[in-house]
Amino acid sequence: NAGVTQTPKFQVLKTGQSMTLQCAQDMNHEYMSWYRQDPGMGLRLIHYSVGAGITDQGEVPNGYNVSRSTTEDFPLRLLSAAPSQTSVYFCASSYSVRVNEQFFGPGTRLTVL
Amino acid sequence: GDSVTQMEGPVTLSEEAFLTINCTYTATGYPSLFWYVQYPGEGLQLLLKATKADDKGSNKGFEATYRKETTSFHLEKGSVQVSDSAVYFCALRANAGKSTFGDGTTLTVKP
Repeated sequence: NAGVTQTPKFQVLKTGQSMTLQCAQDMNHEYMSWYRQDPGMGLRLIHYSVGAGITDQGEVPNGYNVSRSTTEDFPLRLLSAAPSQTSVYFCASSYSVRVNEQFFGPGTRLTVL
Repeated sequence: GDSVTQMEGPVTLSEEAFLTINCTYTATGYPSLFWYVQYPGEGLQLLLKATKADDKGSNKGFEATYRKETTSFHLEKGSVQVSDSAVYFCALRANAGKSTFGDGTTLTVKP
């Protein structure tokens, strides 16, 4: 199993550009989520999905869109990049129950100039 | 809402020292509790977990006990190694499936 994969690993954008961060998992997990990690702020939930066709907002959803057309894929779209979106982005997946841990991807480091 | 408060870092220890990283939580219902570790340039990975009160999670010499009466899940290790240098995150997961993370504690172990 590849686990959770994310692409790209690094990305530099100019203000106003759009892009999609890719996330895929091969563990047949129902639950997937996107976090951003900023220094001293831990992980903050952006969006999550409890299954194909179902998504919901997390703590910091503004400026981001998601969709979940398959169980495996959960892309994150930045609509119009801003410097405040400079961060490290992690995708995670798990079985959708309380007792299960999340499996994290290696992260995407995004810089918006 | 749910919250997790971790001991502020950074923490610097000498090799073979005893480690404690404090974690307390606020949650409705009966969450599961987790410790994750993050090495430089990598994603988080599970270190240990406990799913109900009085459970003890353990892995690689690390331990933590789910204390409902004090709403705590402190991480301990009796003798740290240089290879334990990393960022440690305490987290809880509630019935709805969403996780809440602490801010992370950076541990540096010096030879």
